[in-house]
Amino acid sequence: GAVVSQHPSWVICKSGTSVKIECRSLDFQATTMFWYRQFPKQSLMLMATSNEGSKATYEQGVEKDKFLINHASLTLSTLTVTSAHPEDSSFYICSARDRRDRVWTDTQYFGPGTRLTVL
Amino acid sequence: GQNIDQPTEMTATEGAIVQINCTYQTSGFNGLFWYQQHAGEAPTFLSYNVLDGLEEKGRFSSFLSRSKGYSYLLLKELQMKDSASYLCAVRALYGQNFVFGPGTRLSVLP
Repeated sequence: GAVVSQHPSWVICKSGTSVKIECRSLDFQATTMFWYRQFPKQSLMLMATSNEGSKATYEQGVEKDKFLINHASLTLSTLTVTSAHPEDSSFYICSARDRRDRVWTDTQYFGPGTRLTVL
Repeated sequence: GQNIDQPTEMTATEGAIVQINCTYQTSGFNGLFWYQQHAGEAPTFLSYNVLDGLEEKGRFSSFLSRSKGYSYLLLKELQMKDSASYLCAVRALYGQNFVFGPGTRLSVLP
């Protein structure tokens, strides 16, 4: 159980275009989903916290208008990178919390990641 | 503020035991997590500590001392497939996001 999928797994796009990445919890309902970015040989950096039915909370330094997050249902969150530029090339990973998890077992389940390359 | 520190790289021999340390200073504490991440893949959950002491899961064990802001991940009987990055993450408050450490890249040599 607790499987999170991401689509696409990799994408190459031209500078200036927009890219949408989907994150789905397949066998559980996720009250909260998180979006991370990871550059080579670096750790995960949280970009935003997405709660179903409400606006995402962005971390300091992350542009809300550039990284649009929509959490329309308890199983789906999307991240849209608008007007992508080469510096946006990175590994984007989502994670989800299972709404059934109790306090002592609460963890995050990670998706397989999406590698974005902007030419 | 939030600060988590781990060694950047470690090397060990197949069959050996390795201990990866993690120290943290966070505004709150509601659990410490260890994840394994192979290159180009998403992190996978290894262990979770919220109370002081040792948690054992097969070849992996994790220890926590809240008073010292310290944890370690112990890997026994190392295998080549254990070559990966190991991420320490702290949750400051229940239901909130995790703060990840820089990760430790472990190389297991034959």
